[in-house]
Amino acid sequence: AQKITQTQPGMFVQEKEAVTLDCTYDTSDQSYGLFWYKQPSSGEMIFLIYQGSYDEQNATEGRYSLNFQKARKSANLVISASQLGDSAMYFCAMRLNRDDKIIFGKGTRLHILP
Amino acid sequence: DAGVIQSPRHEVTEMGQEVTLRCKPISGHDYLFWYRQTMMRGLELLIYFNNNVPIDDSGMPEDRFSAKMPNASFSTLKIQPSEPRDSAVYFCASTQGQAGRETQYFGPGTRLLVL
Repeated sequence: AQKITQTQPGMFVQEKEAVTLDCTYDTSDQSYGLFWYKQPSSGEMIFLIYQGSYDEQNATEGRYSLNFQKARKSANLVISASQLGDSAMYFCAMRLNRDDKIIFGKGTRLHILP
Repeated sequence: DAGVIQSPRHEVTEMGQEVTLRCKPISGHDYLFWYRQTMMRGLELLIYFNNNVPIDDSGMPEDRFSAKMPNASFSTLKIQPSEPRDSAVYFCASTQGQAGRETQYFGPGTRLLVL
């Protein structure tokens, strides 16, 4: 069965530092996509970044990048130059390309300290 | 586009009452998902529709929960009768197709409190 593991329930990081949020996944499929979402205290789920299993380069979106290590089944989110507004819950998720459903991890709560 | 619209944003009700949550997906999106989020269980998929047809309802917790999608622009999730353990945030999400990088767009959620 497919599974997403986020081992860091909470993190505290100083403002302007880079942050790495860990995510590992488990699947025997070769074709899949990985997503990261941000959920601020207001509650909405915001899509941040996507990485396809066949993408040769790591995905980047502004200050967000995804450190994709396929052999290790790892898809860590890197936030450069963190800001106070980055304080939120972050979810890693996966969808098999043969399936319609997205499987979510339990999330990591990130606190950015001034 | 206005994004996924959910109503009500907050609902407080008493145990035993019927609760109806509503969702309007993004126009043109052919998939609609209902999720429930709690501290204990995280984000759970309850049911999803493709072209208004329910595809997988295996996440619906019990018969008290039902969902409908009478047309492409409207879906409901109903709980009857409601119980305190149903208290959660319920999200609706929609997407256009499921290929590759098509992400799901979430609504703002409905915070349900059952007393």
